[in-house]
Amino acid sequence: GENVEQHPSTLSVQEGDSAVIKCTYSDSASNYFPWYKQELGKGPQLIIDIRSNVGEKKDQRIAVTLNKTAKHFSLHITETQPEDSAVYFCAASNSGGSYIPTFGRGTSLIVHP
Amino acid sequence: DVKVTQSSRYLVKRTGEKVFLECVQDMDHENMFWYRQDPGLGLRLIYFSYDVKMKEKGDIPEGYSVSREKKERFSLILESASTNQTSMYLCASSQGRSEKLFFGSGTQLSVL
Repeated sequence: GENVEQHPSTLSVQEGDSAVIKCTYSDSASNYFPWYKQELGKGPQLIIDIRSNVGEKKDQRIAVTLNKTAKHFSLHITETQPEDSAVYFCAASNSGGSYIPTFGRGTSLIVHP
Repeated sequence: DVKVTQSSRYLVKRTGEKVFLECVQDMDHENMFWYRQDPGLGLRLIYFSYDVKMKEKGDIPEGYSVSREKKERFSLILESASTNQTSMYLCASSQGRSEKLFFGSGTQLSVL
């Protein structure tokens, strides 16, 4: 089955800095890579996703990059703000297979004002 | 917006009790899921369901069962709660073959 590794487990940055969270996956058949953000007291919510036919996707201050050859993908947050503080989860799934995502262990991002 | 509602935000139960965690979604989604969230372990899939009265084991089904009598409702059952089942439980739903999950706010279960 799929195995998703996520690093770092904790990331502390100053407001305005950039933050990068990295994930690797094991199953070359995986072709969909979402990122979820979980704020305190809430369930995870999808913030951005990328499919394997695309190398990069941006949405305002967040971007995701994918390297299929190396089987890794990353979340980039620029100009971080205190409201970006949350736990972020990466995931991988195969839309031609079971399509149920396998999640990484999560990264706790802390943005200091 | 899709709404996934979990009946309790916090639950405290005693060892050996039978525990029911309830989840309801309002968007007519076919798929429903139960995850367990523990610090450092991420989200682990317990059970999921593609349709009414249908269930499939996830990665950690031991000690749990589920029930889906109606499309909108998916229940997680702990037949005899144990202290190692103290955790945050998250319900999610999705539409058809969409990979996008919609999560509830979670139930923090403490088993004493």
